[in-house]
Amino acid sequence: DGGITQSPKYLFRKEGQNVTLSCEQNLNHDAMYWYRQDPGQGLRLIYYSQIVNDFQKGDIAEGYSVSREKKESFPLTVTSAQKNPTAFYLCASDRGNQPQHFGDGTRLSIL
Amino acid sequence: GQSLEQPSEVTAVEGAIVQINCTYQTSGFYGLSWYQQHDGGAPTFLSYNALDGLEETGRFSSFLSRSDSYGYLLLQELQMKDSASYFCAVKDSNYQLIWGAGTKLIIKP
Repeated sequence: DGGITQSPKYLFRKEGQNVTLSCEQNLNHDAMYWYRQDPGQGLRLIYYSQIVNDFQKGDIAEGYSVSREKKESFPLTVTSAQKNPTAFYLCASDRGNQPQHFGDGTRLSIL
Repeated sequence: GQSLEQPSEVTAVEGAIVQINCTYQTSGFYGLSWYQQHDGGAPTFLSYNALDGLEETGRFSSFLSRSDSYGYLLLQELQMKDSASYFCAVKDSNYQLIWGAGTKLIIKP
């Protein structure tokens, strides 16, 4: 079955450490997205990519970085510059004006 | 700026019908989507309206009026498992999803 796989499900970051969240899709979707969700809040866009080797900043890109070397993969790095990284991170993908579909998410906490 | 407005919380009784409204102001419009999110889970897609009118999928229906920049999600025969947060989202002219803040649906027995 096609879908979006995020890993790990839970991640802990130490002070000053960079961590990378994985997102893989086998839906043959062109566009991929990273969102951040804080408790009781909506989704905020971090980065998005419409095609391979191209990506754009969303509303809250500071302290994050991404790459899109393959159509299927869109990893997100939470850098040490992100001072408040504790949140639920969601990866999504879609094609054209079709609805977005989500992975199961990664919960990131600070040690 | 772009925005979507939806109520923060709605309470209903098991077996009843509830309507969650969403008004939007976006640059461009390529459809209104609704997502359900249970506590601790990821959003799951419920319905999509690109044209005016009502779309029905089982107990859930979604309505769109583009002239009023308005839509709603209608949930019938409410079950306890429908307790969740519901988000409306609009694709703008850049094909980006603009999200509402979510409506928490509380269902009482």
